[in-house]
Amino acid sequence: DVKVTQSSRYLVKRTGEKVFLECVQDMDHENMFWYRQDPGLGLRLIYFSYDVKMKEKGDIPEGYSVSREKKERFSLILESASTNQTSMYLCASSLTTVQPQHFGDGTRLSIL
Amino acid sequence: KQEVTQIPAALSVPEGENLVLNCSFTDSAIYNLQWFRQDPGKGLTSLLLIQSSQREQTSGRLNASLDKSSGRSTLYIAASQPGDSATYLCAVRGGSARQLTFGSGTQLTVLP
Repeated sequence: DVKVTQSSRYLVKRTGEKVFLECVQDMDHENMFWYRQDPGLGLRLIYFSYDVKMKEKGDIPEGYSVSREKKERFSLILESASTNQTSMYLCASSLTTVQPQHFGDGTRLSIL
Repeated sequence: KQEVTQIPAALSVPEGENLVLNCSFTDSAIYNLQWFRQDPGKGLTSLLLIQSSQREQTSGRLNASLDKSSGRSTLYIAASQPGDSATYLCAVRGGSARQLTFGSGTQLTVLP
């Protein structure tokens, strides 16, 4: 089975802090994705990566950056956290573009 | 821009009923469609993936159909059980896109 692991289930940070969310997959998948999920807005794509050191912006990249130095790890960075970034963050991976996406359990991030 | 709609937003049924969840999308030029299940506070679990060339996919008590020309997909759940209670999301991948566009989900409650 595919395993997508997010480093924290719950995280509380303060405004202005730099926040790192980590995601690791164990199936040598090419593609990795970061989404945020908010009530009434559904899942929205922040960034995705289709290869090491490659990244593309999703629908809502403002205020975020990403890093993919190794194939199995995809990090989401909140450069200066703000309260409107309080959300559930979900990481996903897929073997190729046409294969199913597999999700981690999510990180519930609160910015105070 | 692709838009995905799921109606109803919530559904409550007695145990044992067969039920259908609906998903519609505005741009029929899709590559594939994926159905997910999400339990409260958790990530998404992939249920079924239908390629654009397919009409349906089955897994156990679940059957997903796809009518690309009308922009619709349905998820049929046979003999529903309380353990099926969850939010069900559909997501489509556009013809040239790597990412998924998600619907807002149908929250299903199966009453014992």
